[in-house]
Amino acid sequence: GAGVSQSPSNKVTEKGKDVELRCDPISGHTALYWYRQRLGQGLEFLIYFQGNSAPDKSGLPSDRFSAERTGESVSTLTIQRTQQEDSAVYLCASSFSLAGTSPTQYFGPGTRLLVL
Amino acid sequence: KQEVTQIPAALSVPEGENLVLNCSFTDSAIYNLQWFRQDPGKGLTSLLLIQSSQREQTSGRLNASLDKSSGRSTLYIAASQPGDSATYLCAVIPGTDKLIFGTGTRLQVFP
Repeated sequence: GAGVSQSPSNKVTEKGKDVELRCDPISGHTALYWYRQRLGQGLEFLIYFQGNSAPDKSGLPSDRFSAERTGESVSTLTIQRTQQEDSAVYLCASSFSLAGTSPTQYFGPGTRLLVL
Repeated sequence: KQEVTQIPAALSVPEGENLVLNCSFTDSAIYNLQWFRQDPGKGLTSLLLIQSSQREQTSGRLNASLDKSSGRSTLYIAASQPGDSATYLCAVIPGTDKLIFGTGTRLQVFP
């Protein structure tokens, strides 16, 4: 079946503009994750959605970052008033997560964001 | 705070060599450990998932081991091929949610 998809694949924006990144998880996956990978650095956790529970936002770097997820489907990561340090690849992952388990996360191809 | 380190940062070898990639983590209270490969312009591909109760997992030419007490995991690649060229990432799973990644080992296998 289809894997995790993300759009756009590339985004160039000007400093100060808002951007929206989209993630379509694998159908039926209850958990969805956003990560960020800045150039030359490791992947950083941003936010985690699990079913109807309150999301874990502990990785969001500032209040300019927010994310939403409708049910167990699409998620949108929004960055307001973008800064140059926001330039990175934003990766989304999903998994079929039952309580008390830690299943494999499947990653999308990422959105490469460049803030000029 | 959990920190994950991978050594070496980069590796270039001729085809056919057996390789060992190292991953160390500072907090042994992990749930699972997962190895991924990342190809340029593509997302991450899961290679092996080792649960905390296991000591190793094997898939084809890949073997990953886990020693929780010493905070170490190794990924062994047998008979390396040019198609193995990629960045290899290890990630620890402290609970049932987010992954904490290492900075990766960039592998190049030349013919």
